[in-house]
Amino acid sequence: DAGVIQSPRHEVTEMGQEVTLRCKPISGHDYLFWYRQTMMRGLELLIYFNNNVPIDDSGMPEDRFSAKMPNASFSTLKIQPSEPRDSAVYFCASSSGAQETQYFGPGTRLLVL
Amino acid sequence: DAKTTQPTSMDCAEGRAANLPCNHSTISGNEYVYWYRQIHSQGPQYIIHGLKNNETNEMASLIITEDRKSSTLILPHATLRDTAVYYCIVRTIYNFNKFYFGSGTKLNVKP
Repeated sequence: DAGVIQSPRHEVTEMGQEVTLRCKPISGHDYLFWYRQTMMRGLELLIYFNNNVPIDDSGMPEDRFSAKMPNASFSTLKIQPSEPRDSAVYFCASSSGAQETQYFGPGTRLLVL
Repeated sequence: DAKTTQPTSMDCAEGRAANLPCNHSTISGNEYVYWYRQIHSQGPQYIIHGLKNNETNEMASLIITEDRKSSTLILPHATLRDTAVYYCIVRTIYNFNKFYFGSGTKLNVKP
């Protein structure tokens, strides 16, 4: 299996622009997670889905962030409008059940100027 | 919400065992101990997890004290590729928002 796939791997944008991050989970996994990692706050869970349904979005920092999972093989995390403080590495992870381990993607490094 | 305490960094000689400690004195009965690691610029990688008993897999061993207030991750023969930040995490199976990574231990494996 190719593992969790994320795109783009790097993104540089200007403040105010819309940013869309993409994730393809491991085939057959029914849980998908979005994390953000910064030096100051470490790794934070933003939102997770079960069977394409958002279960807990309490970690989403504010309304500028939104996430969707239109089908079992694709999810997006959108930031609109982006701000410099959104600069971070965003990871997507998936698992095959609530009790199973999470497998992380390589991350998207976002820089908002 | 059990948090963990880990040393900031540790050194280990290549080929020797690396023993990474973790304190989780407020762990509750239904919380598991998980270990992940993050090699520079990569996503976190699962290593091992356990509840009460010691566990071993192809990567490492996990030793949990009888009172479950601390644990030790053992890499039996550390290699240079094991240089990474190691995170000790406690969580219940379903509380994903309790999956708190903390600051971890930076393990430096030296030739």
